[in-house]
Amino acid sequence: KNEVEQSPQNLTAQEGEFITINCSYSVGISALHWLQQHPGGGIVSLFMLSSGKKKHGRLIATINIQEKHSSLHITASHPRDSAVYICAGHSGGGADGLTFGKGTHLIIQP
Amino acid sequence: NAGVMQNPRHLVRRRGQEARLRCSPMKGHSHVYWYRQLPEEGLKFMVYLQKENIIDESGMPKERFSAEFPKEGPSILRIQQVVRGDSAAYFCASSRGGLGNEAFFGQGTRLTVV
Repeated sequence: KNEVEQSPQNLTAQEGEFITINCSYSVGISALHWLQQHPGGGIVSLFMLSSGKKKHGRLIATINIQEKHSSLHITASHPRDSAVYICAGHSGGGADGLTFGKGTHLIIQP
Repeated sequence: NAGVMQNPRHLVRRRGQEARLRCSPMKGHSHVYWYRQLPEEGLKFMVYLQKENIIDESGMPKERFSAEFPKEGPSILRIQQVVRGDSAAYFCASSRGGLGNEAFFGQGTRLTVV
């Protein structure tokens, strides 16, 4: 079982809709990242969170440490938001690298 | 300030050849991470390096794979005697510090073994 679980795996929505992607983790995480992987494959770091909420433009990320849950929201979604969104955390295991969720494939239709 | 630079972007190797993937971290970053994304799978941690030191290589296959981050120059991920199963996208990320610091990703190197 993956230590970081994302839902939904796939999401198709209409332009303008409010989007929510969820991430739950089963291990202690001191920081959680939200990443965006474009169709071309490049990865962009959107947020790094250890508590509370962050906002950047139309993107909002929240984290609840007690519930081991984080959400990524996109307001007024646009076709250019179509990408894979990945959450990743520093797991409690020995690895100092990130443990990744499998990603959410988001398609925004015009 | 250039981002994390990886080269080449695409690399084709025949079975048995060596693959060398390079990663130049962002300016001021001394921590480098390598990740592998196999087709239809999520990203997986491979190795974490600081300048001249391997901090954690728990995600690296025991054979054929090695990584270094010399005092001068880029970090290198080396795969010897490549096999078809090594075909994947290899991403490097860098950060200013270690755990808890924001990591910035390169564009990745897509390795195809033919």
